[in-house]
Amino acid sequence: DAGVIQSPRHEVTEMGQEVTLRCKPISGHDYLFWYRQTMMRGLELLIYFNNNVPIDDSGMPEDRFSAKMPNASFSTLKIQPSEPRDSAVYFCASSRFIGDEQYFGPGTRLTVT
Amino acid sequence: AQSVTQLGSHVSVSEGALVLLRCNYSSSVPPYLFWYVQYPNQGLQLLLKYTSAATLVKGINGFEAEFKKSETSFHLTKPSAHMSDAAEYFCAVSPPNAGKSTFGDGTTLTVKP
Repeated sequence: DAGVIQSPRHEVTEMGQEVTLRCKPISGHDYLFWYRQTMMRGLELLIYFNNNVPIDDSGMPEDRFSAKMPNASFSTLKIQPSEPRDSAVYFCASSRFIGDEQYFGPGTRLTVT
Repeated sequence: AQSVTQLGSHVSVSEGALVLLRCNYSSSVPPYLFWYVQYPNQGLQLLLKYTSAATLVKGINGFEAEFKKSETSFHLTKPSAHMSDAAEYFCAVSPPNAGKSTFGDGTTLTVKP
């Protein structure tokens, strides 16, 4: 298996622009997680899905953030409009069942200028 | 509810010395416990996991951890540090099949030549 795939690996955008991050989980994994990692705040869980349904989005910082999972093999995290404080590394992870080990993607490094 | 505390955000050892990274947890049910490693510019990857079988768990790269219920601890050890062990290490706890994992704040391991 290729593992969790994220794109793009790097994204540089200007404040106010829309940003879309993409994730392909490992086939057969029922859970998908989106995390954000910064030096100041560490690793934060933003949202997670079970069988394409959002279960807990309490970590989503504000309405500018939205996530979707239209099918079992694809998820997006969208920021609109983006702000400099959104600069971070965003990770997608998947697992077979809740509480199991998570497989992380390589991350997307987002820089908002 | 569950939580995990990693004692020491930074640990520095000499090459060849013992590595000891501390993790204490709280959980209302018998937990699954994990150690993940994150190398620079990469996602987290699983080092080892405890799932209620043997209390001494062996992982990749010579690491091992011991589950001690009486001390609510799951410390990570390696007898002899290598330069390549320099990374950030995360402890995580989850109620199996009942809830998502909770990650600690991470410990950065530095290995001095």
